Parts: sequence; structure tokens; C-alpha cells
Amino acid sequence: EAQVTQNPRYLITVTGKKLTVTCSQNMNHEYMSWYRQDPGLGLRQIYYSMNVEVTDKGDVPEGYKVSRKEKRNFPLILESPSPNQTSLYFCASSLATYTEAFFGQGTRLTVV
Amino acid sequence: RKEVEQDPGPFNVPEGATVAFNCTYSNSASQSFFWYRQDCRKEPKLLMSVYSSGNEDGRFTAQLNRASQYISLLIRDSKLSDSATYLCVVNGGFSGGYNKLIFGAGTRLAVHP
Repeated sequence: EAQVTQNPRYLITVTGKKLTVTCSQNMNHEYMSWYRQDPGLGLRQIYYSMNVEVTDKGDVPEGYKVSRKEKRNFPLILESPSPNQTSLYFCASSLATYTEAFFGQGTRLTVV
Repeated sequence: RKEVEQDPGPFNVPEGATVAFNCTYSNSASQSFFWYRQDCRKEPKLLMSVYSSGNEDGRFTAQLNRASQYISLLIRDSKLSDSATYLCVVNGGFSGGYNKLIFGAGTRLAVHP
């Protein structure tokens, strides 16, 4: 089954404690993105990757890092989480940057 | 002006009603248009792509008006299960070196018995 898998689904952490949210897709897509979704603001792109070892900032990259060492995986790293990073996070992949995006189930992160 | 704008709603309609959502976009060079459905706290899922000639999928009809730069979604014979947030998605044209999808903030639909 074609899918994008994110883990964990829910996470509560404390300010400053490094965390990683994993994302994996099995569709051989080159393009992957991370979004955060906050009430009234819609989906905002954090980082994206065009291919292995090719990543770039999206609209709200501050406080986040990513890596793309393999085509299928695109982890999101919060080196020092802060409460303003409390949000619902989605990973997505697609064949191209402008084609249908397939989303993971989401990660609800709370930073206290 | 936002790149993709939608009426946030909520639209509260009875079962069986017909409801229409509109969405406007700012980039006249946009070529890809979609409607996504998102249930509460779940991931967005593609509902339908929107083509220049308009397209229909069962009770759902999508239209594109390039001249006025808006797309629409019509839902006929609403069901309780149609209750969700509907996201308008448009490709933003080549900005910053690549052509990415821009998501509207969504229109919430609540269908009641």
C-alpha cells in the first residue's frame, strides 16, 4: 500500500530537549516536505527536499532542521524545542513539487 | 493579499443540501489546482483535481475560472459524512526557484441531520 508514515503520532516534551520526528514514504517520490498546521493559519511549509542530499528552507524554517540521506526518509529535527513549536506536523511526498501531495498521519507535538 | 484565499466558514447545512465553496488565487501562472479534504486532526487527502474544463466525481463538481482566478467546489445531496474541512490547493508558480503547492486555510463544512 502506498503510504507516508510518520512517527510518533503524539509527543509531549519539555523546552530544550532535542527530538526527531521520522517520515518515510514507499512511493519512490523525489520530493518531500514538512508542514506545520496551526488554527487559522493553514499548512505552512517548514522545509522541503527535491532529492537525496538536496534540502531547502520553506516559509517557516526557524528552529527546525532536516536531512535526506535516503530517498524514502526525511526526518524533522528540533534541536531545542520551544513552546511556540507546539503544533500539528505533517510530512508529505509527491512525484513533483506541483503534483498531488500524499500526507503522513500527522504528529501532534506539545512543548511545555 | 494571501496567495490562496478561502471563506473559513463554517458552513452549517442540513443533510441533502447543496453547498458551494469558492477559492481565489493570486498567481495567474498557476497550472495545478486541487481540492483536499481534511477530517478533524487528520491528514489532508486529495478529494479531486480541478481541470480547465471542469470535472465531476459523483456528488462533487469542481470548476476553474482562470479569468477571475478562482476555483469552486459544489457538493450536492450533502451527507453527514461530508462534514470536514475542505482545502483549496494551487501551485504557486516558480517562486524561489521551484514550483510548489500553496494551501488555503480551509473551509469548514458541518452537515446536520
